[in-house]
Formats: sequence, C-alpha cells, structure tokens
Amino acid sequence: GAVVSQHPSRVICKSGTSVKIECRSLDFQATTMFWYRQFPKQSLMLMATSNEGSKATYEQGVEKDKFLINHASLTLSTLTVTSAHPEDSSFYICSAPGGAGNTIYFGEGSWLTVV
Amino acid sequence: AQKITQTQPGMFVQEKEAVTLDCTYDTSDQSYGLFWYKQPSSGEMIFLIYQGSYDEQNATEGRYSLNFQKARKSANLVISASQLGDSAMYFCAMREAWGGFQKLVFGTGTRLLVSP
Repeated sequence: GAVVSQHPSRVICKSGTSVKIECRSLDFQATTMFWYRQFPKQSLMLMATSNEGSKATYEQGVEKDKFLINHASLTLSTLTVTSAHPEDSSFYICSAPGGAGNTIYFGEGSWLTVV
Repeated sequence: AQKITQTQPGMFVQEKEAVTLDCTYDTSDQSYGLFWYKQPSSGEMIFLIYQGSYDEQNATEGRYSLNFQKARKSANLVISASQLGDSAMYFCAMREAWGGFQKLVFGTGTRLLVSP
C-alpha cells in the first residue's frame, strides 16, 4: 500500500483562488519532504524542500509567496498555491525519504487545473 | 551541479523483446545514487531499480536490470521480455545528498511504447 498519501488527486479551481495540496507520510516520520512540479510531457522539477519545524527551501525561480509550503508535523506537509492562475495548472507530486537506505517514497500526485 | 541526460525521447519495442533505455549522468560527487522510475499515464511514480555509486554489481529487480558503467557515467535500464503494461514514461534520476536528505534530479524521460 501507499506509504505517502497525497490529496486531492485532482482539483479544479477558479483563477484568483487558493488551493491546498496535502502530503502525508504513513507509518513513518518525514522531517523532510520534497515538492515537484511536472508540466505535460516534461520532467519533474523540484520546487522546494519542506522542513518540519522550519522554513521551506525553495529552488531558484520558484515564487515562495505564491507556493506556500508548511510542514506542520512529522507526517504532514502542505503546498498552497495562492492566487492561482491558469499557468499554474500542472501535476504536483511530493516525495519523502524513507527511514532506511535509499528509499524514496512518492505520493500519488495531484492534478491541478485552474480555470 | 549534477545533471541527468536521457537522449531517447521515445522508444518502440515489440512485446517479449528486450529494450535498453539510456541514461548518462554528470557529477563530481564520489557518493551518489541512481534511480529509475516508471510513470504511467496516471502520474504516479513507480520505483523500479536503484544503483549506488559504490555498488560493484549491477542492480537487478525481476525483469529490470541496470547496466552501470561508472567510468562512462552511464546507468542504462534494461527491460527484458517487454510487456504491454510496460508502456509508460521512464525517468532516470540521481540522488543529491543534501544535508543527509535525498533530493532527486530527474532526466527528461523516455516514452516507451510496447506493441503486440
């Protein structure tokens, strides 16, 4: 079964509104989670690193005021797309390193459509 | 900086045949990890295989094997006995060790189409 759960899997929102995507680690604690964005037919691009108890680290070119990341607990990170625009429509997916070795778990991903 | 290159945007293979998906990487790190993921149209990222830079043996997982040539900095994925369900995007990724945590850098992907 899934060890990282992402919700919602699909969401449609109106331009100008905000939408929150949740990423939960199941059965393990994740002090760090990663948020990726994927445009159609393109690769995954890292947006930010979410750190429990501290501020997220954003990759160059990612607007931190637009993509708010909160890592409120050891099992939950949220990505909020604020004042969404149609160009924010994309596939967003989170990942969390597992407890052992080189295990990296991915969530199921979230398809965001801004209309 | 680390970089992953996948030069094959698309590959075609007939069912039951083997196929090799290419991946080259560039890094100055001595310790690194290489991953292959399968992404079907649903979007989920399915882990296939992992190779550590210090692993002497090529990794194998069922029908998947990784042809690791460290000197050439290549980590090609070999899928044996292709199945129709193998049709998907395939991404090669490298682990960046950042503060002990694992951030992945992905290649551009290869779309594999398996025909009957």
